[in-house]
Amino acid sequence: GAVVSQHPSRVICKSGTSVKIECRSLDFQATTMFWYRQFPKKSLMLMATSNEGSKATYEQGVEKDKFLINHASLTLSTLTVTSAHPEDSSFYICSAPGPNREQYFGPGTRLTVT
Amino acid sequence: DAKTTQPPSMDCAEGRAANLPCNHSTISGNEYVYWYRQIHSQGPQYIIHGLKNNETNEMASLIITEDRKSSTLILPHATLRDTAVYYCIVRPVYTGNQFYFGTGTSLTVIP
Repeated sequence: GAVVSQHPSRVICKSGTSVKIECRSLDFQATTMFWYRQFPKKSLMLMATSNEGSKATYEQGVEKDKFLINHASLTLSTLTVTSAHPEDSSFYICSAPGPNREQYFGPGTRLTVT
Repeated sequence: DAKTTQPPSMDCAEGRAANLPCNHSTISGNEYVYWYRQIHSQGPQYIIHGLKNNETNEMASLIITEDRKSSTLILPHATLRDTAVYYCIVRPVYTGNQFYFGTGTSLTVIP
C-alpha cells in the first residue's frame, strides 16, 4: 500500500532554534498533506493543511508564523517549528490522502526542545 | 471537530472477538465512517471505512446500523499485537480530506 515517510524520526533541539520536519509520500503524489501534533496520552490534533502550489491552511489557534509549512513538490511537505520552546515538545505526524478516500499517516517525529 | 463518541477503554481476551462501538448520531448522509488505530509512538494505521453497508477486509469488519448513527468495529480474533488506541472518525466525502480525531478507545488484549 501507499507509504508516507517522515524525517527525522526524533530530534532534540535547544530553545530558540528552529527545526524542520519532512514528510514524503513515497509511491504516490499528494497535492495536499496534513500536519498533526499529539501530546502524551492525548489524541491527534490537526494543525494545518499543506497545499502544493499555494499557502497552507491553518486550524484555529495554530500560529502560522511559528509553524511554517512548505509544500515543495507533489511528494514533499515540510514543517518548520521556528524559535522552538519546551512547550513545543510533542509528537508531530503528517498524512496524505490515498486514491480510495483513505488517509495514510507517517510514522511521526518526536520533537524534544530543551 | 470530532463528531464521534467512543468508550475510553476496553479489554479483550486474546483469541476472542473485540467489538469496539462508536456513536456518531449527527452523521450526515455524505459522511463516511473510518477506523484507524495507533500503536504507542507510531502513526495511525488505516483499518477500514464504510458509508452505509457493512464492510469486511483482512483486518476487521465494520458494522454500521441502518440509521447510520452508530457503528461497531470487529476484530474477529484479537491478538496481543492488536493492543492500541482505536479511533472512529466521520468525514465528508467531498469537502476536503481533513481527519479530526476524537479521544478513541484504548483496547488492551489480555493473554
